Amino acid sequence: AQSVTQPDIHITVSEGASLELRCNYSYGATPYLFWYVQSPGQGLQLLLKYFSGDTLVQGIKGFEAEFKRSQSSFNLRKPSVHWSDAAEYFCAVGADSNYQLIWGAGTKLIIKP
Amino acid sequence: DSGVTQTPKHLITATGQRVTLRCSPRSGDLSVYWYQQSLDQGLQFLIQYYNGEERAKGNILERFSAQQFPDLHSELNLSPLELGDSALYFCASSVGSGGPQETQYFGPGTRLLVL
Repeated sequence: AQSVTQPDIHITVSEGASLELRCNYSYGATPYLFWYVQSPGQGLQLLLKYFSGDTLVQGIKGFEAEFKRSQSSFNLRKPSVHWSDAAEYFCAVGADSNYQLIWGAGTKLIIKP
Repeated sequence: DSGVTQTPKHLITATGQRVTLRCSPRSGDLSVYWYQQSLDQGLQFLIQYYNGEERAKGNILERFSAQQFPDLHSELNLSPLELGDSALYFCASSVGSGGPQETQYFGPGTRLLVL
């Protein structure tokens, strides 16, 4: 069965530092991969998605993610975080064999001043 | 602003009661999805409607029901309520019939508290 793992429940990063949020998935073929962000009191907003092609995907708000098939990973990165990036980040996976997205448990990002 | 609207924003009610959550999708979107987000269960897909018809079912309880109306807005009914139903309920919409490639656009959610 497909699954998505976000191993870090919380991550604390200093403002201006780089960020990497991990996402691992379990699926036999190439999946459709998404990162969403949920700011406090808000709904989920799509940051970026990967379907095929270039494995490095650029998203909104300066985020990028890299698909690594050999590691079954789709990690989210940002070179320099801002206090406004404090939020919860969700990785989701879609597959042709499963009509609905499978969601990770989320990683809460805390920014230290 | 995603263009998806949900009402009400907050709801406080008691066990055994019935509530109706409302969602209006983005203009032009035909699919509506309902999700429940709680601290212990995370984000759970409940149900999807496409152009008025049920398209996919997830972890929706028998006590919950939903429908999508001809104007494409959707309602999620929860009855009778239990304490464990306290959660944030999200609606999302997408342009087509759904599937793993379609981007879902989320509303701001309805926070339900059952006392």
